[in-house]
Amino acid sequence: GAVVSQHPSWVICKSGTSVKIECRSLDFQATTMFWYRQFPKQSLMLMATSNEGSKATYEQGVEKDKFLINHASLTLSTLTVTSAHPEDSSFYICSARDMLAGNRNEQFFGPGTRLTVL
Amino acid sequence: GESVGLHLPTLSVQEGDNSIINCAYSNSASDYFIWYKQESGKGPQFIIDIRSNMDKRQGQRVTVLLNKTVKHLSLQIAATQPGDSAVYFCAENIPRGYNKLIFGAGTRLAVHP
Repeated sequence: GAVVSQHPSWVICKSGTSVKIECRSLDFQATTMFWYRQFPKQSLMLMATSNEGSKATYEQGVEKDKFLINHASLTLSTLTVTSAHPEDSSFYICSARDMLAGNRNEQFFGPGTRLTVL
Repeated sequence: GESVGLHLPTLSVQEGDNSIINCAYSNSASDYFIWYKQESGKGPQFIIDIRSNMDKRQGQRVTVLLNKTVKHLSLQIAATQPGDSAVYFCAENIPRGYNKLIFGAGTRLAVHP
């Protein structure tokens, strides 16, 4: 149980295009999902908290107009990197919190999406 | 240890030895701590967690110790195996708003046969 998937697992795009990454909770419902970015040999940095039915909460320094987040249902959140540039190349990881779990703090992580912008 | 630039600190151990990975966390209000294992190109994998009202918790081959006085967390792996080679991150839960996790810098564990 508690499986989170991401699609695609990797994507290569040209500079200036937009890329959408999906995060799904497969066997539980999640009112809250999180998006992280990880550069090579570095830690995970929280980008934003995605809330079903409301606007995402972005961390300081993360441009909300560049990283569009939509939490359309209790099992799906999407991250769209708009007008991607090479510096956006990174490993993007989502996590989800089971809304019915007794431990309300536990997050389940997806396998990540490798974005390469040429 | 702390990450310096782009270089993760590395802990090298012999197969069968015990490993101790350390982490300093930042927020004295953090109420929950987790250790994750991350293999190359994959998402973090949960190892063990501990609440702030505890100072020790044991799992299978792993033990987490929490010292709130000095804001220090450690992960002990008994009888380390080659499959334990990975990057290990500690994370602290900030109990504000949506309860977000803040990750530590990470330590690479290299297990040699």
